[in-house]
Formats: sequence, C-alpha cells, structure tokens
Amino acid sequence: EVQLVESGGGLVQPGGSLRLSCAASGFTFSSYEMNWVRQAPGKGLEWVSYISSSGSTIYYADSVKGRFTISRDNAKNSLYLQMNSLRAEDTAVYYCARDGHYGDIPYWGQGTLVTVSS
Amino acid sequence: DIQMTQSPSSVSASVGDRVTITCRASQGISSWLAWYQQKPGKAPKLLIYAASSLQSGVPSRFSGSGSGTDFTLTISSLQPEDFATYYCQQANSFPHTFGQGTKLEIK
Repeated sequence: EVQLVESGGGLVQPGGSLRLSCAASGFTFSSYEMNWVRQAPGKGLEWVSYISSSGSTIYYADSVKGRFTISRDNAKNSLYLQMNSLRAEDTAVYYCARDGHYGDIPYWGQGTLVTVSS
Repeated sequence: DIQMTQSPSSVSASVGDRVTITCRASQGISSWLAWYQQKPGKAPKLLIYAASSLQSGVPSRFSGSGSGTDFTLTISSLQPEDFATYYCQQANSFPHTFGQGTKLEIK
C-alpha cells in the first residue's frame, strides 16, 4: 500500500524557515516523480513544486520561487521542502504527492499545516 | 502559465441528478488533464486522468471528456457521497495549475 506521511509543519514567524519532510513507503520511491501541493484555509489547491525521480529536474510555482527548495533522498525514501523567508500567505496545508503516468496525482499524503504568523 | 477556469463555481443538485462541470484551459493542453474530488479535511482523490481515463476504484458514474482547451466532468447519477468540491488540473506544462474548484452542494 502506498503511504506518504508528511511532518515538520507548525507555527513560524514571518521571515522564518521551516523544513517539511515526507516519508514514502509501499512503492519504489526512486522510480517516481514527486510534488508538493498546498491549500490555504478555505481556498483551492495550489501546485507548489515538482522533482523528477533522480532529482535532476525541478520546477517551482512563481509564488515560491527563490524561497522554497525541493529535494529528495532516494536512499531514505524521503521528500523534502525547505521553506525560507516565509510569509503570511504561505499559511496552508502542505501535501506530499506522487505523480502518476500522465502528470496526474493518484497518491497524496494526509497533509501538514504550516501557519505563518507573529 | 496556463490558466484553468472551472464553471460553475458552485452547483446545487439532488440525489439522482446528472451533473456536468466544465474546465477551460487558457491554451491547448491536448489530453493532459486530471479531475479530483475533495471532501472537507481530506486530501484530494484522483477521479479521472488523461482527460477521460477512469482511475482504478472510481465508480463508473464518473466520466471525463474533452481535449485541447475544453473539458467536462460528468456525474451521471449523483449519490450522497458525491457532494464535495471538484478540481481540474492541467499537466501539459509546468506549473501544473489547478482550476479554482467547483463546490457541489445538496439541493
């Protein structure tokens, strides 16, 4: 069974940093592209970042480019999101998500809440 | 960036009704489109991928169609568990943008 378990969320002050982790199991992690998707309270889904299976190709939403860094450790079956210079508008539930074969997302974690507030 | 526009933003319907939700891309995306269902407090659930392929385990009352810029999600006969918010997402090019969502409510 595919499982994605996020951790690392919490309350952080504006301008602060946070590192999210996602532990993957139930599939060959090193063979799949991964994403982070977020959802602000009461709002819609926003795609945040993508990383290829090897980690060689990375994309970001304009809203986080230059502030967030996606990475992965295939030996540890883990995905990460380093978030710096956090803003109030980054407050959201962050989902770790595994790609399907057509750019779709068939597997999602349960999400971790990041709150940016003073 | 490709913009995805869903309509309507919300719809009220009754159990047994047929409902159609539309998603329009700001430029052609071939069939690189997925549909998701999300219930409050839960992660999204993939319903349709590649515009018209039904994800394993999803009831056959859900169907998707379209290509290029115009797409539809149809629920043939609404069931109580279908009341939720639905999102489309394009996977033609990065950023993989989502539509704003369509909230399906009970009439």
